[in-house]
Amino acid sequence: DTGVSQDPRHKITKRGQNVTFRCDPISEHNRLYWYRQTLGQGPEFLTYFQNEAQLEKSRLLSDRFSAERPKGSFSTLEIQRTEQGDSAMYLCASGYRGGNDGYTFGSGTRLTVV
Amino acid sequence: AQSVAQPEDQVNVAEGNPLTVKCTYSVSGNPYLFWYVQYPNRGLQFLLKYITGDNLVKGSYGFEAEFNKSQTSFHLKKPSALVSDSALYFCAVRDPRNTPLVFGKGTRLSVIA
Repeated sequence: DTGVSQDPRHKITKRGQNVTFRCDPISEHNRLYWYRQTLGQGPEFLTYFQNEAQLEKSRLLSDRFSAERPKGSFSTLEIQRTEQGDSAMYLCASGYRGGNDGYTFGSGTRLTVV
Repeated sequence: AQSVAQPEDQVNVAEGNPLTVKCTYSVSGNPYLFWYVQYPNRGLQFLLKYITGDNLVKGSYGFEAEFNKSQTSFHLKKPSALVSDSALYFCAVRDPRNTPLVFGKGTRLSVIA
């Protein structure tokens, strides 16, 4: 197992464009989480899945954001009509439902909107 | 709703000296507490956790943390700091219902040789 993988590592996009990020969790983990981290801040929760079901979405997740986990394996996070305020590190993590071991994080996707 | 406070943006310590990174929390019910470390341009790495049991928990790289229920604190400690410990440290909490982790804003630790 190679841990949690995120692709791409870096993305530069023009304001107004759509972007999509992918996360491949640890295969045995049934929960997958998306967080956003801006400079000088801790990770902020965006949304999470248990298998293919999206169980919770933060108020931070505006209508321009959508996440999917179609087969309960990998997940995608799409941002439509990007704004400069979307520039951040997007972190994916996976873990067990009911587990006490915390999460395993990927290295993140750094988004820069110009 | 749960929350975490890390009152220090930066902690500076000389190599070989003990270090403490502070964390206080607020949660309904018994807390599940975690410390993570982040190196530049990397994701978060798990250091240690408190779920139940002994108030002093030991984790990776010689770190330990002390759970204090009356003070709602979970301070991270290490007896002798290394330059390689310089990084960003995050405290996190969740409630017993297994809701998503809530993180503090982080504390930058700088260990000076």
